[in-house]
Amino acid sequence: NAGVTQTPKFQVLKTGQSMTLQCAQDMNHNSMYWYRQDPGMGLRLIYYSASEGTTDKGEVPNGYNVSRLNKREFSLRLESAAPSQTSVYFCASLVAGGSSDTQYFGPGTRLTVL
Amino acid sequence: QKEVEQNSGPLSVPEGAIASLNCTYSDRGSQSFFWYRQYSGKSPELIMSIYSNGDKEDGRFTAQLNKASQYVSLLIRDSQPSDSATYLCAVRLTGGGNKLTFGTGTQLKVEL
Repeated sequence: NAGVTQTPKFQVLKTGQSMTLQCAQDMNHNSMYWYRQDPGMGLRLIYYSASEGTTDKGEVPNGYNVSRLNKREFSLRLESAAPSQTSVYFCASLVAGGSSDTQYFGPGTRLTVL
Repeated sequence: QKEVEQNSGPLSVPEGAIASLNCTYSDRGSQSFFWYRQYSGKSPELIMSIYSNGDKEDGRFTAQLNKASQYVSLLIRDSQPSDSATYLCAVRLTGGGNKLTFGTGTQLKVEL
C-alpha cells in the first residue's frame, strides 16, 4: 500500500514549456486534490475532484488544467509555465465518513520555472 | 480577513514545556477542524481532528475547540525537539464539501 504517489519529485522548466504532474492513490478514495505551497502562503487549493468524472476549480486555478483519469489517478497540467508557478505541488486524497475525515498527502513535486 | 488565520511564528519553547498553537476562523458555520504537522521538506500529515466544542486528547496532543469564539488550538505537552515543525490549521468551511481551507502555519521550535 503506497498511499499517495507523485511524479516527478523535482522538475525545472523554462518559461512557456508545458508539463504534467502525475498523482495516484491506492486507497480507493473518491476525492482527490491538487495544492500548491509557497513560503508564507500556506497550502492553496488549485483544483479538486470530488469523485471520478468530476473536477472543480479551487482558490488558484489560473494557468492549470486537471484530468481525473480514473478513480486512482488525478493529473495536473501546466500548459505554458510561468515563473509565478514555481512552487511545491502536493496531491492529496480523502477518506471521509465515520468519526473522522483525513486527507492523505503525497510527497510533493518541487517545480522551478526559469 | 483571511478565512483561517495563524501566527506564523516562530514559536520557541524549551524542551519539556507546553507549546500552545492557535488558529482562528471566520466562518461561524464551520464544523470540522484539523491540525496537520509538516516537517521541513516533507508533506503534511494529520495529527488531530476535532468536531465538537471542548478538548480532545491524543497522547501528548490536545486539541481545543471553541465555536462561539471561532478558535481552535493545539497544545503539545512535554515538547520534544522532534516536535519542531510547522503546524497547519485546516477548516472545512460551510458549503465547502470535502474541501479544506488551510492557514499559513505556525513554525514551532523546541529548544534543548
